[in-house]
Parts: sequence; structure tokens; C-alpha cells
Amino acid sequence: QLQLQESGPGLVKPSETLSLTCTVSGGSISSSSYYWGWIRQPPGKGLEWIGSIYYSGSTYYNPSLKSRVTIFVDTSMSQFSLTLSSVTAADTAVYFCARHPTLHRVGLLGPYYVDVWGNGTTVTVSS
Amino acid sequence: QSALTQPASVSGSPGQSITISCTGTSSDVGGYNYVSWYQQHPGKAPKLMIYDVSNRPSGVSNRFSGSKSGNTASLTISGLQAEDEADYYCSSYTSSTSVLFGGGTKLTVL
Repeated sequence: QLQLQESGPGLVKPSETLSLTCTVSGGSISSSSYYWGWIRQPPGKGLEWIGSIYYSGSTYYNPSLKSRVTIFVDTSMSQFSLTLSSVTAADTAVYFCARHPTLHRVGLLGPYYVDVWGNGTTVTVSS
Repeated sequence: QSALTQPASVSGSPGQSITISCTGTSSDVGGYNYVSWYQQHPGKAPKLMIYDVSNRPSGVSNRFSGSKSGNTASLTISGLQAEDEADYYCSSYTSSTSVLFGGGTKLTVL
């Protein structure tokens, strides 16, 4: 059974770069059937999609975060990672990594629903 | 892109049925049959309840059902149980190859 586990610092200073890694176990990160993504949830608020990556390296980002986000994949380590630059207090959130099936069968690119979620990791932006 | 619109809260008594709406545009909900719904209990990761508008993953109770009309999708929970009390989020594929979530709805079982 596929599992996702987030890891990374729980505290980041304002203006610095947030970096998180998700380790995939129980399945292949190189599967052509899935994208791998990041979703966050500020305290007391709703879910926000950050971005997703295909094993080949193709990326899709939330337009509102695109200028600050990079997602990359390391298939040899079965990991994918998120960096978010120039963080502020507004970036304080629980960050989830996720698996999305593809829509390639109908000729559409990009991720859609999430069928597997990590447990989430809390990141606080504070000096 | 703005979040999909959901009511902030809904409530119902045990055994009753409730419906949560999720309104988008022709670029997301209305344009594709790729709406999904998630249940989230406090302090937990979301759980997929419905995908492709009306499909239930294995293991999800058939008390949960989904539908769509135009730019609005709906999640119906029948035979409400105390354990259904949670936050519910809709999500849709969009024409800009992105994922859009709703603002979330808090379900209270009275």
C-alpha cells in the first residue's frame, strides 16, 4: 500500500526558503499513471494546491505561487521535493504531499484528484 | 483563479440527508466531469470520498453520493451519522491544467 511521508524543518525565518521532501514507499514514483503534488492548509483555513510534478519532470504550479515555487523529483531516491522562496507568515501552514492520477487516457495534461495523502507536516514562518 | 464556492456550514440530525454545493465556472466544474470531494476530520489528512463527480473509491460508504448540474456540483450524505461530522472540500480539474479547491464546508451533526 502506497505511503507518503513529508519531512523538513518545522520553522523557517521570514524571507528565507522553505524546503520539504516527500518520500514515496510501497509503490513506484516512476509510474506513468500519477503526478506527485503538494497541497497546504493554513491554520483554520481551507486547502490550497501548490503544484505537482510528473516522474519525467514536467511541472504544474498554482499561478498565485508560481514565481516562488519549485518542485523537483529524484526517482532514484523515490522522493519529490518542494521549495518555496521568500516566505512570510502567510506561508505558515500544514503542508501535505499527495498523489494524483493522470488524465492522459483522455488526452488531458496535469493532475486532478488526490487519491493518496501524506499525513502532513506543520511549517511555521517566524523569526 | 478563485476558489470554488461552498457554503461555510451545513447541519443535520442523525438519519437525515444533507447536500453540500460547490459552484465554479465553465473553466472548471462546468467544463469537466472531474470534480472530487474530500472529508477532513480535525488534525487529519483529507480523505477522498468522491471522484469524477459521482464515483466512490473502494471502502467509502454508499451513503455518500455526488452529482453535477452546470457549474455546480453537489455532495449528498444520506443517513447522517455522528462520524460524518467533519469538514468537506470539493475540488475540480481546470482548463489551466491546475487543481482548484473549494473553501470548505463544516458539517455539524446535531
